Amino acid sequence: NAGVTQTPKFRVLKTGQSMTLLCAQDMNHEYMYWYRQDPGMGLRLIHYSVGEGTTAKGEVPDGYNVSRLKKQNFLLGLESAAPSQTSVYFCASSLNSVRVNQPQHFGDGTRLSIL
Amino acid sequence: AQSVTQLDSQVPVFEEAPVELRCNYSSSVSVYLFWYVQYPNQGLQLLLKYLSGSTLVESINGFEAEFNKSQTSFHLRKPSVHISDTAEYFCAVSAGNTDKLIFGTGTRLQVFP
Repeated sequence: NAGVTQTPKFRVLKTGQSMTLLCAQDMNHEYMYWYRQDPGMGLRLIHYSVGEGTTAKGEVPDGYNVSRLKKQNFLLGLESAAPSQTSVYFCASSLNSVRVNQPQHFGDGTRLSIL
Repeated sequence: AQSVTQLDSQVPVFEEAPVELRCNYSSSVSVYLFWYVQYPNQGLQLLLKYLSGSTLVESINGFEAEFNKSQTSFHLRKPSVHISDTAEYFCAVSAGNTDKLIFGTGTRLQVFP
């Protein structure tokens, strides 16, 4: 009963390095999301996907790229990490859109520090 | 544009006391409303969601939320809290014409013995 799994759980990067965060879901959900959580700011949507092969920008997309080559996976990439990207990143998935009242299911998060 | 306001960043309360966590939203179209809970070092879990019809929504662990359209509020309440309710609570809203969920900034509930 895995649900939404995020890899890695922790990572420390130096400014300018690149990395990819992996999100995998085993619930056959169509929609997937990447959020970042910062103190006092709640969760902010970075990018999302409404199905395999699709991606769309969220509230704070700058500095990030995403890909959804397989339905179960949603990758978040940082091409050149900056200290402002230090955050906790959450992946979520939902069976269908929130516009039909479908809740989102969250992973346990990835703590990323950029030095 | 839709927005969500959680008026209290922190709510301290003693065990077995009642609690209310406030959430107000703004939207010009019909909305769907959710409360999520986040325990330390974990992801968010759905606590309850508003469905059209009844304005009072209940969860399995004693929380309830009341949808008030005239006041654009969706406050979360529990008549008697437990130590294990210590967590951060997020209110979220989606408008009828978008795939996005907008989260409030969260309220940290701290229950003391």
